[in-house]
Amino acid sequence: AQSVTQLGSHVSVSEGALVLLRCNYSSSVPPYLFWYVQYPNQGLQLLLKYTSAATLVKGINGFEAEFKKSETSFHLTKPSAHMSDAAEYFCAVGAGGTSYGKLTFGQGTILTVHP
Amino acid sequence: DVKVTQSSRYLVKRTGEKVFLECVQDMDHENMFWYRQDPGLGLRLIYFSYDVKMKEKGDIPEGYSVSREKKERFSLILESASTNQTSMYLCASSVGTGADNQPQHFGDGTRLSIL
Repeated sequence: AQSVTQLGSHVSVSEGALVLLRCNYSSSVPPYLFWYVQYPNQGLQLLLKYTSAATLVKGINGFEAEFKKSETSFHLTKPSAHMSDAAEYFCAVGAGGTSYGKLTFGQGTILTVHP
Repeated sequence: DVKVTQSSRYLVKRTGEKVFLECVQDMDHENMFWYRQDPGLGLRLIYFSYDVKMKEKGDIPEGYSVSREKKERFSLILESASTNQTSMYLCASSVGTGADNQPQHFGDGTRLSIL
């Protein structure tokens, strides 16, 4: 079984500051990990994915995430926040194999960016 | 680009009504999913389907059913709507081949209010 914990339901940063959104996972098999972003009144959009090829994954809009097996973490970072980054972010884990593509999502982190 | 289309963005129904939410994807994906999204709870899986006429319960199937008669279409049915089913409903699809998890692609959601 898989589970995801996102630490902090709300994160607030200033424009230009580092963005760090935390995600810890639990999985009994090598995981597939994803970060999604949701803008108001929209569906979820894929930011990046980890599928064991490289531990540092680069995504869209300047975001990246690092897979750390020893810490069971997959934190999302961006060096310099922009006002347009304000949204809700979801971390998700999949089990691969015969799971039919099922993903388990975290509770989400709302990112606020102050001018 | 993958397109997942949900038939309604906003829907208002009355308690006891039978409600149909429709979802269509245009990329020949094997897997389709229905989630509900509530503040602070993230996305919870209601039902998913990995092939035509095949379905499996997710984490919160009570009060819902689904139908997948054609590969591109996945319908969520509220048999007798209740006020606690007021929520945002998200449909997603993903490629089902291979052993690895592929990203899920989401529709824009249906905000359903049950009065």
